[in-house]
Amino acid sequence: GDSVTQMEGPVTLSEEAFLTINCTYTATGYPSLFWYVQYPGEGLQLLLKATKADDKGSNKGFEATYRKETTSFHLEKGSVQVSDSAVYFCALTASSNTGKLIFGQGTTLQVKP
Amino acid sequence: DAGVIQSPRHEVTEMGQEVTLRCKPISGHNSLFWYRQTMMRGLELLIYFNNNVPIDDSGMPEDRFSAKMPNASFSTLKIQPSEPRDSAVYFCASSRDTRADTQYFGPGTRLTVL
Repeated sequence: GDSVTQMEGPVTLSEEAFLTINCTYTATGYPSLFWYVQYPGEGLQLLLKATKADDKGSNKGFEATYRKETTSFHLEKGSVQVSDSAVYFCALTASSNTGKLIFGQGTTLQVKP
Repeated sequence: DAGVIQSPRHEVTEMGQEVTLRCKPISGHNSLFWYRQTMMRGLELLIYFNNNVPIDDSGMPEDRFSAKMPNASFSTLKIQPSEPRDSAVYFCASSRDTRADTQYFGPGTRLTVL
């Protein structure tokens, strides 16, 4: 079945460091891919998305490219800030095509000043 | 535009009591999702509705949990009787139900069962 695997956390970085959070997926068909972010005490919110192979989603300095050949959607940011500290979830649309999303387990990012 | 509205934001109850969580999706959205988040199990999809009809309730942990969506603007998740292991944050989310669309999450209800 459809599934998403994220790198284990927590990830601890110093401010202005480069960030990569790995995400790989297994799916039938051609899913859309998402990164959601959850700040402390809040619900999840969409960070970026990509709907087809080779698409690049970007927002707030974060980027991810839909790589069909490697079934990956790694999240990157060139220079993280303390305010980026949050939990990041990779997700895909389920092949059932009903709007259901399959989420990864989440990766906690902590950025230190 | 108002986002997804959940109530209450916090609920503390004693074991054995009935708990009802409420959700108002974004107007015009016809898919609604209930999730549970815990440290141990992460984010779990409990049930989701499309056009007010339950599509998949395979994530509902047991018969103590039930969910309804009587109309397009309201849904409830009920736990009866509640147990301490039900303590978690419960999120409601809605979407327009297009394949590539976004799910919009509410702020969550933090449930504590003593």
